[in-house]
Amino acid sequence: GQQLNQSPQSMFIQEGEDVSMNCTSSSIFNTWLWYKQDPGEGPVLLIALYKAGELTSNGRLTAQFGITRKDSFLNISASIPSDVGIYFCAGQRGYGGSQGNLIFGKGTKLSVKP
Amino acid sequence: DGGITQSPKYLFRKEGQNVTLSCEQNLNHDAMYWYRQDPGQGLRLIYYSQIVNDFQKGDIAEGYSVSREKKESFPLTVTSAQKNPTAFYLCASSIPGQRGYRDTQYFGPGTRLTVL
Repeated sequence: GQQLNQSPQSMFIQEGEDVSMNCTSSSIFNTWLWYKQDPGEGPVLLIALYKAGELTSNGRLTAQFGITRKDSFLNISASIPSDVGIYFCAGQRGYGGSQGNLIFGKGTKLSVKP
Repeated sequence: DGGITQSPKYLFRKEGQNVTLSCEQNLNHDAMYWYRQDPGQGLRLIYYSQIVNDFQKGDIAEGYSVSREKKESFPLTVTSAQKNPTAFYLCASSIPGQRGYRDTQYFGPGTRLTVL
């Protein structure tokens, strides 16, 4: 099945730094979702985007739905240790039936700088 | 509290045995999904169900089976035909996608299956 291109694959953060990650696709999506997954747990929804150009914040997190509808980014400002984990983007091509199924990126793993 | 529960958290199975993973939700969602996650991979869709008594194959359905007899429950059976069943299995649910609906999926805590 199709997967999204998510980058970077991994990154190290120092407390207080800003973090940025993005997802791109060759297909147009109607919805972009960003999830965070802690080890051994299910993904938790962070931000949902439903309109091209939409910019949405959730605390220190900000995500945007690209104008072309083929990309999205997630920014984390002033990172803290509990931000570590794996962040997934997911796109949805349409509504209903198989069009409503999510397509996932492979994730961006955030770790603390040694 | 509303949510999705999966049991058990950890499951061990001998090669050649079938095993059933449980998924229950009390969110009153019509649609339910099963995903498989392997290290370094995104989530891959196994089966999904938009409504009771109906389900569809996802991208990697071979070696798996499901049933949807109740709105709240969507059990997944990993059969002996699944060649590489060791993985983390995630269940999700959502309001079914229709125009005007926002089909956001919410996930359970997962079941880690290990084949010995």
